[in-house]
Amino acid sequence: QQQVRQSPQSLTVWEGETAILNCSYENSAFDYFPWYQQFPGEGPALLIAIRSVSDKKEDGRFTIFFNKREKKLSLHITDSQPGDSATYFCAASGNAGAKLTFGGGTRLTVRP
Amino acid sequence: GPKVLQIPSHQIIDMGQMVTLNCDPVSNHLYFYWYKQILGQQMEFLVNFYNGKVMEKSKLFKDQFSVERPDGSYFTLKIQPTALEDSAVYFCASSLRSQNTLYFGAGTRLSVL
Repeated sequence: QQQVRQSPQSLTVWEGETAILNCSYENSAFDYFPWYQQFPGEGPALLIAIRSVSDKKEDGRFTIFFNKREKKLSLHITDSQPGDSATYFCAASGNAGAKLTFGGGTRLTVRP
Repeated sequence: GPKVLQIPSHQIIDMGQMVTLNCDPVSNHLYFYWYKQILGQQMEFLVNFYNGKVMEKSKLFKDQFSVERPDGSYFTLKIQPTALEDSAVYFCASSLRSQNTLYFGAGTRLSVL
């Protein structure tokens, strides 16, 4: 039973386009949603995160849109660059602690 | 940024043997975690550890698994004995406090033959 789901599994966009990565969750107790970026051979690195009290979080070219009612969120990467090519993981945790539940990841390829 | 180091990057062992995976967490961090990722699947929580004790563990953290951080050195995951289904990439992570950002290592790929 997957508590955090991501779609699509893989996504290819052209340089300069906006990539949209989707995430949904089941557990209403989740209130913290980080997105991690992982390059081959490396560990996941925190990219951007949002708490459930907000519906939007922006950091440069990266924006999270959060819909608490529908238990959905999305990561938008504007002006995508080839260096953004990586696997992106949506994760979630509740107030009780920092144990993160991860989604299956979206592999993003940005073509020049 | 802060670095978590994992040693070795790849370990190959025969089924039934013991293996110890080592993690050097960020120096001032207090909370430590192990995650397991089978190829092509999502990363799954195994265990977290604070103040010398296991705080929480998942059903994936079998009786054959143990963790410790003796004398503030490496945070280790020991599997004894290993099974074929233990083949995976194991990620170590650490955080300063329980609500803080987790910093991950690059993972140790364990191959059980």
